[in-house]
Amino acid sequence: KQEVTQIPAALSVPEGENLVLNCSFTDSAIYNLQWFRQDPGKGLTSLLLIQSSQREQTSGRLNASLDKSSGRSTLYIAASQPGDSATYLCAVRKDTDKLIFGTGTRLQVFP
Amino acid sequence: ETGVTQTPRHLVMGMTNKKSLKCEQHLGHNAMYWYKQSAKKPLELMFVYSLEERVENNSVPSRFSPECPNSSHLFLHLHTLQPEDSALYLCASSQEEQREQYFGPGTRLTVT
Repeated sequence: KQEVTQIPAALSVPEGENLVLNCSFTDSAIYNLQWFRQDPGKGLTSLLLIQSSQREQTSGRLNASLDKSSGRSTLYIAASQPGDSATYLCAVRKDTDKLIFGTGTRLQVFP
Repeated sequence: ETGVTQTPRHLVMGMTNKKSLKCEQHLGHNAMYWYKQSAKKPLELMFVYSLEERVENNSVPSRFSPECPNSSHLFLHLHTLQPEDSALYLCASSQEEQREQYFGPGTRLTVT
C-alpha cells in the first residue's frame, strides 16, 4: 500500500530564505507526482507535475525534483515571500490509480 | 466563471437533514472527483467519474450519494450524516484520470 510522508509538518522562516520541502513515498512504481498549494480553508492549487520519466520541473521560484528509486521528491522555493505562506501537499499516482496525498507541510514566511 | 466552482462554500446541517453539494467545471474536462479533507488527515478520494460513469468508489458510506448528470457537473447528495462527517469537501476535474487535477475551493461542511 502506497504511503506518502511529508517532512517537516510545519516550517517557519524569515522572508528571503531558500527552503526545501520533502516528500517520500513507499512504492517507487509511480506514474507521476504532483505538488499542490492550499491556503487556509481553500481548495488546492496545482504547482508542478512531474512525470515518472522526468527528474525535475521548474516554475518561477519553484523547482521540484523526483528520485523514483529512492522514493523521494523535494520542492525547492527560492527567495521565499510572505505570500508563499500556505500548506504544501504532494501526491503520487501509480498507473491509473487514484492520487495518494501526504498530510502536508504548513509553511509560514514572516517579514 | 472559470476553473472549478463549488456551492455552497459553507454548510451547516443537522443529522436528519438532506442536502446536496454542487460542483461545476468550466475546463472541458471529462473526469471529476470528490475528496474529503478532515483535520490532520490526508485528503481521501471518495468518488471518481470518468465520461460521466462512476469508476471508483472508495468504500464510502451510503449516506453519501454522488451524481454526475453530465461531464461539467457533479453533485454529492447527503442524508443522515454523522458529526464525524464534518470536513472540507473538495471537487476536482481533469482531462482523463491520469492527467493533472484542478481543484475547486471546497465546501466546509459542519454536521451538528
